Amino acid sequence: EVLLLESGGGLEHPGGSLRLSCAASGFTFSRFPMSWVRQAPGKGLEWVSSIGGRGINTEYADSVRGRFTISRDNSRNTVYLQMNSLRVEDTATYYCARRDEYTPYDYWGQGTRVIVSS
Amino acid sequence: DIVLTQAPLSSPVTLGQPASISCRSSQSLVHSNGNTYLSWLHQRPGQPPRLLIYKISNRFSGVPDRFSGSGAGTDFTLRISRVEAEDVGVYYCMQASHFPHAFGQGTKLEIK
Repeated sequence: EVLLLESGGGLEHPGGSLRLSCAASGFTFSRFPMSWVRQAPGKGLEWVSSIGGRGINTEYADSVRGRFTISRDNSRNTVYLQMNSLRVEDTATYYCARRDEYTPYDYWGQGTRVIVSS
Repeated sequence: DIVLTQAPLSSPVTLGQPASISCRSSQSLVHSNGNTYLSWLHQRPGQPPRLLIYKISNRFSGVPDRFSGSGAGTDFTLRISRVEAEDVGVYYCMQASHFPHAFGQGTKLEIK
């Protein structure tokens, strides 16, 4: 069974940093690109970042480029999102999702909530 | 960047009746490998999104056959042949053909 479990969310002040983690199980992690998607309270889904299976290729939304860094540790079956220079508008539930080549975004975690507030 | 526009944004439907949601892309969603990575996802309140349809018309594992997808190029449609109570929630189209990946605004399906 494919499982994705996010952690690391919480309350942070503007300008602060958080690191989100997404622990994967039930599949050969290194074979799959992974993504982060966020959802602000009461709003729709927003793609944030993606990383290739080997961790070499990364992509970012304009809204987070230069502030967020996606990475992965295939020995730990974990993908990370380092979030720096946090802004109030980064407040959201952050989901990790698997990006299968044939069925993109086929499995999602339950999400971790990030609140940025002074 | 590609923009996905869904219509309607809200859809009150009678149980047992059909429902249809449109998704229009600002650019072609054909990937360089020839595939079109247009998906439909369903999200219930307090839950993560769930994949329903991938590559325009393929039902994901466990998805009932009352859900179907169609379209090509820039125009796509999700159809529910007979709406059931469990189908309420928000439906999103999304494209994973080109970066940045993108979602439509969402369509809220409600029971009349």
